[in-house]
Amino acid sequence: AQKITQTQPGMFVQEKEAVTLDCTYDTSDPSYGLFWYKQPSSGEMIFLIYQGSYDQQNATEGRYSLNFQKARKSANLVISASQLGDSAMYFCAMREPNSGNTPLVFGKGTRLSVIA
Amino acid sequence: GAGVSQSPSNKVTEKGKDVELRCDPISGHTALYWYRQSLGQGLEFLIYFQGNSAPDKSGLPSDRFSAERTGGSVSTLTIQRTQQEDSAVYLCASSFRERNQPQHFGDGTRLSIL
Repeated sequence: AQKITQTQPGMFVQEKEAVTLDCTYDTSDPSYGLFWYKQPSSGEMIFLIYQGSYDQQNATEGRYSLNFQKARKSANLVISASQLGDSAMYFCAMREPNSGNTPLVFGKGTRLSVIA
Repeated sequence: GAGVSQSPSNKVTEKGKDVELRCDPISGHTALYWYRQSLGQGLEFLIYFQGNSAPDKSGLPSDRFSAERTGGSVSTLTIQRTQQEDSAVYLCASSFRERNQPQHFGDGTRLSIL
């Protein structure tokens, strides 16, 4: 079974609108960390936001927020006020257990296109 | 400060040749990871190093792949007798040990096997 599932291969959003990118995960470990990365066409992986499984509040970083629904095992990324520069691939990733350093498991990604 | 540095940025080689890919992590980061990204796919874990501990090699696809990390800093990923299916972008990342610290990625090495 896939650990990280991103069901939207591609998404379109109008500039200045908000968009939600879906991510569901599968784990039996109570301690895990969830990450979102952005990969523009230039190829670099840019860290956006982190949510720990024990965190009480949803993570926010500027225009990025994480809609963390633990019971549903979902960690959707919300981008508010989309900009043309947000066009990129977005990857959801999980680390389990969330202690020390363990490798990330990535989803297949969602390609977001922002339309002017 | 300086980010994760990878070299070369591009490598084209003939099938059957050996290649070495280099990664220079962010200073002070104790963990170093290698991932592979095939065209249009997510990232696939290959190997990771944490301090002086034995590396986790569980993601290496075959015994043609090996990696070392010298002095707890620079790492080299070696692929022997390259095959066409080895063509991919090889990404290196490093991080601090604390659990809420993200991995920071280099720009990758695009490897093409002819």
